[in-house]
Parts: sequence; C-alpha cells; structure tokens
Amino acid sequence: DSGVTQTPKHLITATGQRVTLRCSPRSGDLSVYWYQQSLDQGLQFLIQYYNGEERAKGNILERFSAQQFPDLHSELNLSSLELGDSALYFCASSGGQGLYEQYFGPGTRLTVT
Amino acid sequence: GQQVMQIPQYQHVQEGEDFTTYCNSSTTLSNIQWYKQRPGGHPVFLIQLVKSGEVKKQKRLTFQFGEAKKNSSLHITATQTTDVGTYFCAGPIYNQGGKLIFGQGTELSVKP
Repeated sequence: DSGVTQTPKHLITATGQRVTLRCSPRSGDLSVYWYQQSLDQGLQFLIQYYNGEERAKGNILERFSAQQFPDLHSELNLSSLELGDSALYFCASSGGQGLYEQYFGPGTRLTVT
Repeated sequence: GQQVMQIPQYQHVQEGEDFTTYCNSSTTLSNIQWYKQRPGGHPVFLIQLVKSGEVKKQKRLTFQFGEAKKNSSLHITATQTTDVGTYFCAGPIYNQGGKLIFGQGTELSVKP
C-alpha cells in the first residue's frame, strides 16, 4: 500500500460525458502528479501540482483539467469524453516538487463506451 | 523533445535465468528512477540513481547509471516468478519540476 488513494476504482461512461477522478496523496506529500496509461502509449505524464499550484504540464488535452485543493487532494476532470480516453489514470505523490521518487495510487480504470 | 527509450519491449525467460533491461535517454539526466508494475497493479518505486557511474544493488537486482548519465540498466540475477511485471525507467525533464518521462517499459515473463 503506497498511501495514495484514488477513487473510483472503475468508471464506465458514455462518449460526450464528463467525469471526475479523485486522488488523496500520502500524508505530508505536497506534490501530486496525474498519468494516463494506455496499452499503446505507455505511461504519459499529464500534469503536476505542488501545494495547490500547477507546476508542470505534459500532454494534457484541453478537455482535461485538474486542480489541487487546500487539503492537498486533487481532482482530474475529463470532459467531452471520447472512446480514445479509455485508459488507466494514475495519481502519484511525492514529498517535494523536484527530483523525488513518486508513489503511485492504485489507479482508476476509465472505460468510455 | 526529450526521449527515454527502453529495450527490450518484452523478455521471456526460464526461471533461474538472468534478465537485463536497458534504458537510454536522448539527453543527460540529473537522476534516473526505476519502477516495477505487476500485472493489474500500479507502478512501484524501486530505486533512484543520481551519480555518474553509480551502481546499486537490491538483493538479486543490480542497477547501473552510465558515466555520461544518459543510460541505465537493471539486471536481475536468477529470476523468480515473483519478478514478473513491467519494469520502467524514468528520468526528470530538465527544469520542469518533478515531471518524469517514462520509458516504454520492459515486460518480463518468467516460466517456472
């Protein structure tokens, strides 16, 4: 158990819908990262927050947005969902904003039908 | 842009055989991290290497960081069925916080 929690575990929704994925980092960790893992793309970095502020951005679509709240939990919002958005979404946390190991949550499996 | 390549993509071994995966970056890395993801699981941090030429061991696992800090390897001696999974290397993007770029991973299967 990494100490990072993610909800829900599974999500099935239809194209065009909007969903919110939630992540709680390990106690004391200030950085939260979001990743998308699909079979053909591997682990793709989406976005990082540090203590409530956006710190780094990856290949995150405009239809996706995220935020980190004062209690440090984070939410990833995915809208206008397409079939290609079906993937595993992982949240990870670390103690700092720089070169620290990351601890991954169990992931949310999103299926868009 | 910065890339991290990993080979091989798949490796099938007989239990007891050795296994090595290689990681190459297009740019110099300040550090390299290795993660393991079991089937159906999430990536789990294994180790971080920081110094040029660094070698670290964890039981049957040996990690190396190249002298030029552009490549790394993970070697497993005498594989066991518990070693099954995908091994990823990851390197930080320069000056972009904690953003990591992951290799595509090497999927290891072990035949008992």
